Amino acid sequence: EVQLVQSGAEVKKPGESLKISCKGSGYIFTNYWIAWVRQMPGKGLEWMGNIFPGDSDTRYSPSFQGQVTLSADKSISTAYLQWSSLKASDTAIYYCASYCSGGSCYNTWGQGTLVTVSS
Amino acid sequence: DIVMTQTPLSSPVTLGQPASISCRSSQGLVHSDGNTYLNWLQQRPGQPPRLLFYKISNRFSGVPDRFSGSGAGTDFTLKISRVEAEDVGVYYCMQTTQFPYSFGQGTKLEIK
Repeated sequence: EVQLVQSGAEVKKPGESLKISCKGSGYIFTNYWIAWVRQMPGKGLEWMGNIFPGDSDTRYSPSFQGQVTLSADKSISTAYLQWSSLKASDTAIYYCASYCSGGSCYNTWGQGTLVTVSS
Repeated sequence: DIVMTQTPLSSPVTLGQPASISCRSSQGLVHSDGNTYLNWLQQRPGQPPRLLFYKISNRFSGVPDRFSGSGAGTDFTLKISRVEAEDVGVYYCMQTTQFPYSFGQGTKLEIK
């Protein structure tokens, strides 16, 4: 079974750093782009960026370029989203999505990681 | 960058009645490979998004056939022939034709 399992909820203070993860299983992790998506409280979905674990090719949304860093560790089939200095406005649920089959892509989503940034 | 615009943003529907959601892109979504990477996703309350349709009209595994996707160029439509209670949630169009990817604002489907 293809799965993306994300790390657990986090509570952080403004200015702190954070790295959340998305672990793929049941498929060849290095062969498919991983997308990261933000959902602020009560709001819609926003595409943040993509990483291709096979060669770490990374594409960022202009809205998130310089604000976050995407990375991946092929050896453990895990992708990461990290912040060096969190802001209260980073409070959101973050989803990862990946995998292609039968012509569809991004057909598998993680369960989401809730990040709360509060002093 | 491609902007995706959905209408309506809210859609109160009576059970058993049809529903329709429109999505318009600011530019054409035909990829250089000839495919149009327009997807529809459903997000039920408290759940992660779920893929419903890919490449405009291809129903993903497990999606009931009361759902249909259509369109071409810059105009796309998601239709539900007879709304059921389990269809409540927010529906998003998303283009993955070119980076940066983009979502529509979402359409909230609710029961009258």
